[in-house]
Amino acid sequence: GAVVSQHPSRVICKSGTSVKIECRSLDFQATTMFWYRQFPKQSLMLMATSNEGSKATYEQGVEKDKFLINHASLTLSTLTVTSAHPEDSSFYICSARILEETNTEAFFGQGTRLTVV
Amino acid sequence: GQNIDQPTEMTATEGAIVQINCTYQTSGFNGLFWYQQHAGEAPTFLSYNVLDGLEEKGRFSSFLSRSKGYSYLLLKELQMKDSASYLCAVRDGGSNDYKLSFGAGTTVTVRA
Repeated sequence: GAVVSQHPSRVICKSGTSVKIECRSLDFQATTMFWYRQFPKQSLMLMATSNEGSKATYEQGVEKDKFLINHASLTLSTLTVTSAHPEDSSFYICSARILEETNTEAFFGQGTRLTVV
Repeated sequence: GQNIDQPTEMTATEGAIVQINCTYQTSGFNGLFWYQQHAGEAPTFLSYNVLDGLEEKGRFSSFLSRSKGYSYLLLKELQMKDSASYLCAVRDGGSNDYKLSFGAGTTVTVRA
């Protein structure tokens, strides 16, 4: 199956700093990538839809100025958590869909465990 | 929006069968997915249903009834490694992005 690589897998940062998470589709092109957040023992909550070459679409309640998304190419989307606070500590996961195939599963990255201290 | 319900926890014995139900109420529908997720890891794809009926794939089967807004995932011949969270997800058919909405997940514990 298609491979989505997410980096880093774990990151610890100080409160007030920014953290960038990368999501790459390794063997396919993805015009659309999705960013999710998952708190312990809860399900994935969609944060935003990342579209190549255009602005991301954010879900209700997600601050676009705090969670900056850039989708500069067909294989890379980045999520930057700005001015991180301890409550931003969570598991962040990206997913991508194959460009040419509309009727397929989403492929997930390995996830990033963010801890803000 | 989407409203997706599934049981929180289930326990079963190694070698047994477990059925995880999922009901949904959606504004649009373009397929239902089941994912398996082990703690601290990303979800992995198990099955996809877009038409009514049963899809079988080895020890796992998934069923869909669109008129009832209902699906189930059937796990047969349970193994210890099947202990995980199982996520039901519905794909929105109302947009071109085909985004997924997830249920809260069902934690399955397999006991020896």
